[in-house]
Amino acid sequence: QITLKESGPTLVKPTQTLTLTCTFSGFSLTASGVGVGWIRQPPGKALEWLALIYWNDGKRYSPSLKSRLTITKDTSKNQVVLTMTNMDPVDTGTYYCAPTVTSGFDYWGQGTLVTVSS
Amino acid sequence: QSVLTQPPSVSAAPGQRVTISCSGSTSNIGNNYVSWYQQLPGTAPKLLIYDNNKRPSGIPDRFSGSKSGTSATLGITGLQTGDEADYYCGTWDSSLSAALFGGGTKLTVL
Repeated sequence: QITLKESGPTLVKPTQTLTLTCTFSGFSLTASGVGVGWIRQPPGKALEWLALIYWNDGKRYSPSLKSRLTITKDTSKNQVVLTMTNMDPVDTGTYYCAPTVTSGFDYWGQGTLVTVSS
Repeated sequence: QSVLTQPPSVSAAPGQRVTISCSGSTSNIGNNYVSWYQQLPGTAPKLLIYDNNKRPSGIPDRFSGSKSGTSATLGITGLQTGDEADYYCGTWDSSLSAALFGGGTKLTVL
């Protein structure tokens, strides 16, 4: 059974750096072809892909957010960490992590709501 | 505005069939697999279709996917009130080296 859980602060101030952790079980990020991505969803709006890290440490970022994002993995802890710098109120939303075993995002965590406000 | 275009809403009666379209370009849908996601109110998205037309274990065969050129379609037959949700298409864009989602389609079962 695959499970994922996102964790991190629920409230950050503008200009601060957000650090989110995805802790997963039921699959291995050392297996060939496997990746873990981060996706966010502003309240009432559509899904937006942020970043993806692969089993071989390959990384991909949303072109519009690339300068603000860093994704890393710790396979010994089954964790993937996303940092986003210079947070703004428009970054408010629910942040999800999800693995890619097939061509899609196969399983989704429950998400964590992040509010950016002073 | 999303690179992948979906209709904002569709509706149909219980028991009927509905289709949801997703339009892109050669750099994304045209040359990459399409996936579809269902997001029930207040919940996380769930994968319905991957590799254009494959269903994960546990997804009923009422849900189907197809792709032609730079467009993809999600079909749902035997509509149930429990199918009311937002549906998103997704794919990879080879030019952007980025994953993409459509803007989402709200399904109402009348």
